[in-house]
Amino acid sequence: AQSVTQPDIHITVSEGASLELRCNYSYGATPYLFWYVQSPGQGLQLLLKYFSGDTLVQGIKGFEAEFKRSQSSFNLRKPSVHWSDAAEYFCAVGAGAGNNRKLIWGLGTSLAVNP
Amino acid sequence: DTAVSQTPKYLVTQMGNDKSIKCEQNLGHDTMYWYKQDSKKFLKIMFSYNNKELIINETVPNRFSPKSPDKAHLNLHINSLELGDSAVYFCASSQVSAGNTEAFFGQGTRLTVV
Repeated sequence: AQSVTQPDIHITVSEGASLELRCNYSYGATPYLFWYVQSPGQGLQLLLKYFSGDTLVQGIKGFEAEFKRSQSSFNLRKPSVHWSDAAEYFCAVGAGAGNNRKLIWGLGTSLAVNP
Repeated sequence: DTAVSQTPKYLVTQMGNDKSIKCEQNLGHDTMYWYKQDSKKFLKIMFSYNNKELIINETVPNRFSPKSPDKAHLNLHINSLELGDSAVYFCASSQVSAGNTEAFFGQGTRLTVV
């Protein structure tokens, strides 16, 4: 069955430090992969996505993610975290076919940023 | 110019009441979704509609009834509200005919049942 695992429920980093959020997926075909961010009290905003091509994708707010098929991973990275990056981060994989398409979600990683 | 808009943003109501949440998207997408996010932030898909047709209907109590008057609108009506219905409900839309599951989300409706 299709699934997404985010192993880290909660991560705390210092402002200016680098960040990596892990995401592993289980999907039979070539996956469509997404990272979304949810700031407190807000909806979900797309950070970046991978459909095909270059396995290193750039997103908004200085984030990037690398698709590694051999590891079934799509980890999110940022070289220098800002206090405003404190939020909930969700990894998702596109599943289904035809009109029955949907996103399969990880449980999220909560990021706290220390000043 | 909000792409996906939901109303109301907050809803506080008593157990047993019936309430509705409305959603509209101006992106021209063919598919709309309702998600429930619980207190642990877990996102659970409830329904999807494609061009007004119900496609996905996950295991949701039949007290929840979605209605899509046209492909730009998807409303959620909840009968006989229970304490466990308290959550944030998100509407989203996608253009799945393009093979695209990228979802655009509304700001959410925080439902509190007391």
